[in-house]
Amino acid sequence: AQTVTQSQPEMSVQEAETVTLSCTYDTSESDYYLFWYKQPPSRQMILVIRQEAYKQQNATENRFSVNFQKAAKSFSLKISDSQLGDAAMYFCAYRSGGGATNKLIFGTGTLLAVQP
Amino acid sequence: KAGVTQTPRYLIKTRGQQVTLSCSPISGHRSVSWYQQTPGQGLQFLFEYFSETQRNKGNFPGRFSGRQFSNSRSEMNVSTLELGDSALYLCASSRDRDHRTQYFGPGTRLLVL
Repeated sequence: AQTVTQSQPEMSVQEAETVTLSCTYDTSESDYYLFWYKQPPSRQMILVIRQEAYKQQNATENRFSVNFQKAAKSFSLKISDSQLGDAAMYFCAYRSGGGATNKLIFGTGTLLAVQP
Repeated sequence: KAGVTQTPRYLIKTRGQQVTLSCSPISGHRSVSWYQQTPGQGLQFLFEYFSETQRNKGNFPGRFSGRQFSNSRSEMNVSTLELGDSALYLCASSRDRDHRTQYFGPGTRLLVL
């Protein structure tokens, strides 16, 4: 069975600084997707970034980028130029490839605080 | 394009009652998944539907059930509610059964007294 681990329950960053959130996962599959979702206090889950396992290039979305280390099964999220609106719970998630399911397996989350 | 909508947004029930939650996916999306979010257990997968068929089911008791209609709208039902069923129930939709991106609704917060 696949598992996702987020070892940092809480993180804090100063506005305009950079922060990195960690995520590791365990799987025996070779085809899969990894995601970072953001859940602000409003509770709406928002997709931040997606990485396909077959792509060696790290995904980037504006101020958000990932460091995908497939051999190490590591998938960290870097937030550059942090803004107050980035404060939220961040979840790392795994989805098997192959088309059998859309089921997401989530980590326990990292609560990010942004200090003005 | 409207996002995923869930109704009701908040619900208070008592133990032993049953509840039905509704999810309307983004127009054109045919896959709907449900998740339960609690402080203790985190985010857990409940079930997944595609074209009115349940494709996958999480490790929940039979009191939890769901269905999907021909217009892709989905409902989940919880019978004989227990205190531990208090949670945020999230619905996510995607365009098809193997699409990379799922979009979440705002959730239904259920409180069981």
